[in-house]
Amino acid sequence: DTEVTQTPKHLVMGMTNKKSLKCEQHMGHRAMYWYKQKAKKPPELMFVYSYEKLSINESVPSRFSPECPNSSLLNLHLHALQPEDSALYLCASSRALEGETQYFGPGTRLLVL
Amino acid sequence: GEDVEQSLFLSVREGDSSVINCTYTDSSSTYLYWYKQEPGAGLQLLTYIFSNMDMKQDQRLTVLLNKKDKHLSLRIADTQTGDSAIYFCAESSGIYNQGGKLIFGQGTELSVKP
Repeated sequence: DTEVTQTPKHLVMGMTNKKSLKCEQHMGHRAMYWYKQKAKKPPELMFVYSYEKLSINESVPSRFSPECPNSSLLNLHLHALQPEDSALYLCASSRALEGETQYFGPGTRLLVL
Repeated sequence: GEDVEQSLFLSVREGDSSVINCTYTDSSSTYLYWYKQEPGAGLQLLTYIFSNMDMKQDQRLTVLLNKKDKHLSLRIADTQTGDSAIYFCAESSGIYNQGGKLIFGQGTELSVKP
């Protein structure tokens, strides 16, 4: 089983709203990732967690706040987003950080009005 | 820094073979991946190849790696309309201080015509 699940599938929010994206995997993977993807472009890495600790923050604005409550769950809290933040947000996981295959979820399509 | 390049578009007829090419610059690349993304979907891992291999075959998919030229290709035999998607090449150095980063190409949009 190489499944990563993400909820919700779609999200529409105003610029003053607070919302959260959720990602879950039950493969025993210890590294989890958030990516942002614009249409027909490659994914851009946002955050990496390794053993539930933040390992990489790719200079992401503070209106995006990641959280890893346990080894199976990864959240992305959203607050005061801008219309240009509208994108597909992808979660991925891998067994570990070094040279391990990343498995992606189906993504959450976010529209900020 | 590391760079991965792909051509942006490829159009083939149903039943033909498709060949998607990728070049990369990082000579320390350990794993090279092909991901498929259908419209509105996430990235699906198609196949990967370790850098000490030249070729890997998996049903209709053949991956060729020329490490000297830093060139990777994905051949899809008997291409079907369901193969229409964007294909991303990606490389991973496998070095701990890279944090497991994947370096993606721009993606090749494959269009399969009946």
